[in-house]
Amino acid sequence: EAGVAQSPRYKIIEKRQSVAFWCNPISGHATLYWYQQILGQGPKLLIQFQNNGVVDDSQLPKDRFSAERLKGVDSTLKIQPAKLEDSAVYLCASSSSLNYGYTFGSGTRLTVV
Amino acid sequence: AQTVTQSQPEMSVQEAETVTLSCTYDTSESDYYLFWYKQPPSRQMILVIRQEAYKQQNATENRFSVNFQKAAKSFSLKISDSQLGDAAMYFCARASGTYKYIFGTGTRLKVLA
Repeated sequence: EAGVAQSPRYKIIEKRQSVAFWCNPISGHATLYWYQQILGQGPKLLIQFQNNGVVDDSQLPKDRFSAERLKGVDSTLKIQPAKLEDSAVYLCASSSSLNYGYTFGSGTRLTVV
Repeated sequence: AQTVTQSQPEMSVQEAETVTLSCTYDTSESDYYLFWYKQPPSRQMILVIRQEAYKQQNATENRFSVNFQKAAKSFSLKISDSQLGDAAMYFCARASGTYKYIFGTGTRLKVLA
């Protein structure tokens, strides 16, 4: 089966600019996650979707981050405006069932200068 | 706090030898899942092994096995017959009924030829 697709793979922007990341999960996976992984740390959950509804966005900095999952398939994560501390890898993952674990995409490495 | 702790930032192992990576966690739940993920330089998180908390038998996947001590809240990963391709960051993660993962900070494994 095709994996979780993410784009772009790399992005460099200046602080205060906007950026958007795209994720296409595995077909049929109802649950989609966005994680932020800062260098030297483990991934931290930003937002969790179940179909097209938000299950958990408690750690999403809502003043600058937004995410949507239209029609319960693709998802976009946006940062506006970006700060230096947003430099990280943004990982998307999808899951059909908790006990089988996630399938992750290859992530987008964001550098804010 | 519901945390996952990996106390070894870096480990080294000689090719063909055995290495054990440590993980402890904190939870108040009785039903949960534990995972080990591998993250090579390509950044994609790859599921190595999973363990259901209600199962007493330790999970095994080829050269990878776990030592799950529920009372001690310990979940270590043993890699036997280490190969050069095993070199990567390894993350321990815990998940529960909310489908949300909590990751540790990772252990970098170096395999020496």
